[in-house]
Amino acid sequence: KNEVEQSPQNLTAQEGEFITINCSYSVGISALHWLQQHPGGGIVSLFMLSSGKKKHGRLIATINIQEKHSSLHITASHPRDSAVYICAVEIDDMRFGAGTRLTVKP
Amino acid sequence: DGGITQSPKYLFRKEGQNVTLSCEQNLNHDAMYWYRQDPGQGLRLIYYSQIVNDFQKGDIAEGYSVSREKKESFPLTVTSAQKNPTAFYLCASNRGPHNEQFFGPGTRLTVL
Repeated sequence: KNEVEQSPQNLTAQEGEFITINCSYSVGISALHWLQQHPGGGIVSLFMLSSGKKKHGRLIATINIQEKHSSLHITASHPRDSAVYICAVEIDDMRFGAGTRLTVKP
Repeated sequence: DGGITQSPKYLFRKEGQNVTLSCEQNLNHDAMYWYRQDPGQGLRLIYYSQIVNDFQKGDIAEGYSVSREKKESFPLTVTSAQKNPTAFYLCASNRGPHNEQFFGPGTRLTVL
């Protein structure tokens, strides 16, 4: 079993919809990261969390350490949000989920 | 502008040849990392370096080698011993553990 599980694997939404991507992990961590990978392959770090909630523009990330679970929310989704979203956890090194491919249709 | 560069973006090699992927950063980061990405899988750590002249194996180091002679540079050599080298390779750096990682644009290696 992978240490980091993401759901769903694929997600298609209409422009304007509220999006939630989930990440569950099975080990104790020091931090959790949400990353965005664009179609060309480049990866951008969105959030680094060790507790609570962070917000940046239309993106919100939450983490529940006791439940070993994190969510990434996108409000008022837009076609430019189409990308693969990757959850990664820091243990002694970084462990990555397989990613959630989001497609937002106009 | 500060950032991480990887070159080339696309690389083709014949089976049995060694190939070196370049990674350079001007962010003054101590730590650098090499990851491999295969379709449908999460990134996997090949090698990492926390400081110049020191590096550690990751989960899938077999068939790869690295050097860290300069803080700015962390080249990865894919040797002929790597059984399935065709993949997308990503380099990253950060100030150290528990810090945001910055990623390069990646190199897509195809072995023919």
